[in-house]
Amino acid sequence: EAQVTQNPRYLITVTGKKLTVTCSQNMNHEYMSWYRQDPGLGLRQIYYSMNVEVTDKGDVPEGYKVSRKEKRNFPLILESPSPNQTSLYFCASSPRQPPYEQYFGPGTRLTVT
Amino acid sequence: EDQVTQSPEALRLQEGESSSLNCSYTVSGLRGLFWYRQDPGKGPEFLFTLYSAGEEKEKERLKATLTKKESFLHITAPKPEDSATYLCAVTLNAGGTSYGKLTFGQGTILTVHP
Repeated sequence: EAQVTQNPRYLITVTGKKLTVTCSQNMNHEYMSWYRQDPGLGLRQIYYSMNVEVTDKGDVPEGYKVSRKEKRNFPLILESPSPNQTSLYFCASSPRQPPYEQYFGPGTRLTVT
Repeated sequence: EDQVTQSPEALRLQEGESSSLNCSYTVSGLRGLFWYRQDPGKGPEFLFTLYSAGEEKEKERLKATLTKKESFLHITAPKPEDSATYLCAVTLNAGGTSYGKLTFGQGTILTVHP
């Protein structure tokens, strides 16, 4: 089944403890992206990747890192999480860079205390 | 700054009562405008991409249209299963520095009562 998977789906952590949220797609898509969704602010793009080893900032990249060493994986790294990074995170992939349609993962709900 | 504004924030309809959702944008050099549907607790699901003013696309009870400044999502004779949050997003022309960026609106929460 063609899909985007994220792990973990739920995570509660403490301020400053490094964490990684994994994202993997099995559709051989070139483009991948990370978003956060907050009430009243909608979906905001954190980072995106046009292809392997090609990444760029979205609208809210501060406090996040990404890497794209393999085509199928695009992990999101929070080196020192803070409470303002508590959010619902979505990974998405697309056959090509925009404006092609994106396929979203199920989401990761992160709470930083 | 590129902006995408959706209205209304929430819309309550009776089953069968047609209506429209609006997405207005102030970006320059639009490359494409997307509509997505999001059910509670799930990731957004792709509905349409529109590329140029005057373009229209349809899917079941939904029809999306695009002008130079806004897009409408028309819902004809909605059913309760159409209840969801509808999101629009825009992406810019390849000549810009933000080629891979997507900017989303805040969404319209649609509730259709039986």
